[in-house]
Amino acid sequence: GAVVSQHPSRVICKSGTSVKIECRSLDFQATTMFWYRQFPKQSLMLMATSNEGSKATYEQGVEKDKFLINHASLTLSTLTVTSAHPEDSSFYICSANPLGHEQFFGPGTRLTVL
Amino acid sequence: DQQVKQNSPSLSVQEGRISILNCDYTNSMFDYFLWYKKYPAEGPTFLISISSIKDKNEDGRFTVFLNKSAKHLSLHIVPSQPGDSAVYFCAAISTSGNEKLTFGTGTRLTIIP
Repeated sequence: GAVVSQHPSRVICKSGTSVKIECRSLDFQATTMFWYRQFPKQSLMLMATSNEGSKATYEQGVEKDKFLINHASLTLSTLTVTSAHPEDSSFYICSANPLGHEQFFGPGTRLTVL
Repeated sequence: DQQVKQNSPSLSVQEGRISILNCDYTNSMFDYFLWYKKYPAEGPTFLISISSIKDKNEDGRFTVFLNKSAKHLSLHIVPSQPGDSAVYFCAAISTSGNEKLTFGTGTRLTIIP
């Protein structure tokens, strides 16, 4: 299947700092990528849809100034968690669909805010 | 409002037997359904999908059944193997919409050797 990578896989930061997570489609171009977060033992929650060359679309309840999304190229979307706090600690996952409706997911990024 | 539900949070099945995972949905606009497998601290892996114009799709050991009138789908894994132990999520899309996946709550499948 299609390959989606994420970097870093794990990050620990102090409260108040900003963290950038990268999502790359390695063998296809993606005009749209999706960002999810997953809390322990819960389902994946869509945060936002990242659109290449235009603004991201955020889901209800997700602060766009807190979670900055940039989709600068057809193979890269970045999620920046600004002024991170302990409640932002979570597992962040991106996805993209190369063709059709099947979304392929990155390996995820574990964010821990101290 | 949980539009996609997996009512069994966990399921244990003997190795070699059939595993049946169930999923119900409420939104009649959903017309494409997917199953994903997920290990802890990893992203979901796509398993199999089905369009609402079909009632069955098979791929190796995995078969997905769709009952549109009941708004119900199920994933059958046979024979079950220890490597199948994971959390399984069903997901749904409205293809006339914006391709956003709506996930179920997941079922943890444990295959007993």
